[in-house]
Amino acid sequence: GENVEQHPSTLSVQEGDSAVIKCTYSDSASNYFPWYKQELGKRPQLIIDIRSNVGEKKDQRIAVTLNKTAKHFSLHITETQPEDSAVYFCAESQNTGNQFYFGTGTSLTVIP
Amino acid sequence: GAGVSQTPSNKVTEKGKYVELRCDPISGHTALYWYRQSLGQGPEFLIYFQGTGAADDSGLPNDRFFAVRPEGSVSTLKIQRTERGDSAVYLCASSLTGTVYNEQFFGPGTRLTVL
Repeated sequence: GENVEQHPSTLSVQEGDSAVIKCTYSDSASNYFPWYKQELGKRPQLIIDIRSNVGEKKDQRIAVTLNKTAKHFSLHITETQPEDSAVYFCAESQNTGNQFYFGTGTSLTVIP
Repeated sequence: GAGVSQTPSNKVTEKGKYVELRCDPISGHTALYWYRQSLGQGPEFLIYFQGTGAADDSGLPNDRFFAVRPEGSVSTLKIQRTERGDSAVYLCASSLTGTVYNEQFFGPGTRLTVL
């Protein structure tokens, strides 16, 4: 569970448009996939998570999809707002371990 | 209640010195994690405590790094003979139990600069 690739590294969208961030992982035993948002100089905060027995989860403007066969999961933000600007990290973990393995982050800028 | 707190917020030291970084988890959280975040990277796992014991220290980069949690609450990350490559933000997180499905709440981090 140590290889998590995240794309893109930077993303700029116009306010109101959608943003999509994708992550791939390599360990088929991974079964938990949280997404964290980190504003400049602040701590990472959980925004949404998904377990391996679920294909999609939605919370207002944020959704996460998981494709276990292809070993990838994605964060979708709709109707983006300037306050969505931040660095977003995906992570994965296994229930046999407790640490998270994080992606390298996506810097999202929402242009007013 | 209060979130995870870390002290100091910033630490500047010289190469070869010893440093201690402190983490105060959320009250009642039994699990505590240390991560290291370099510029432009995601947090990198260092060590995980369940109660007083280190359940997994596989992320510690070498024997210069050591962490303790003697009473199952506050934890201290200790770095001996610091090197310039140790410069990073050191993040602490806690969760209610050690179950991976429990949300990990992060502290604000300690920015360590080794000159």
